[in-house]
Amino acid sequence: QSALTQPASVSGSPGQSITISCTGTSSDVGGYNYVSWYQQHPGKAPKLVIYDVSNRSSGVSNRFSGSKSGSTASLTISGLQTEDEADYFCSSYTSSSTVVFGGGTKVTVL
Amino acid sequence: EVQLVESGGGLVQPGGSLRLSCAASGFTVSSNYMSWVRQAPGKGLEWVSLIENAGRTSYGGRTYYADSVKGRFTISRDNSKNTLYLQMNSLRAEDTAVYYCARNLCSSTSCYGGVDYWGQGTLVTVSS
Repeated sequence: QSALTQPASVSGSPGQSITISCTGTSSDVGGYNYVSWYQQHPGKAPKLVIYDVSNRSSGVSNRFSGSKSGSTASLTISGLQTEDEADYFCSSYTSSSTVVFGGGTKVTVL
Repeated sequence: EVQLVESGGGLVQPGGSLRLSCAASGFTVSSNYMSWVRQAPGKGLEWVSLIENAGRTSYGGRTYYADSVKGRFTISRDNSKNTLYLQMNSLRAEDTAVYYCARNLCSSTSCYGGVDYWGQGTLVTVSS
């Protein structure tokens, strides 16, 4: 199972909006509405941000939103804040009854 | 409060074995889908294995594995100890990683849509 494709890095200024893409195939992202997004700060465990494509995890700011079109899922962070600087990973259920992650995207707040 | 505490990591030689434990509190392991996810140093997340909830029997639950560990790793749980395990055999250098124990979030449609609680991770180093 190949990893989902994410851009290595995305940056934005405070207050701006950024979008991170996550591209898979019809066997994973395109075939199921079971895409999740995780935020990971250095040295910390990942934190669930979005589940089932577009549902925010409990306690997560409404500045975070998720969507999907075909085999590409997206995470949008609006009103970018310094604490949003972290690595972000997407994940999807697959037709093999397994789970696959994306390679990760480093978000930098300029 | 939900907590997951991993233990059992360490340095092991190639070809060796190690058993990771994940002690859970605040919820019942057997009633939930549970996963192991690993992260090699400086790399991304890699899904390792999942065990479904026990269902009616309390001892059932299908298991799934990444191709990279299939046949070498075994996921299991001890209901009496409310603990999840990962038995790792025939370890290779490429298995070196922080291993996270995690609880799957079950929505109205599925338990595969995300992982909502993670442990702090335990480091496994495979080296001679």
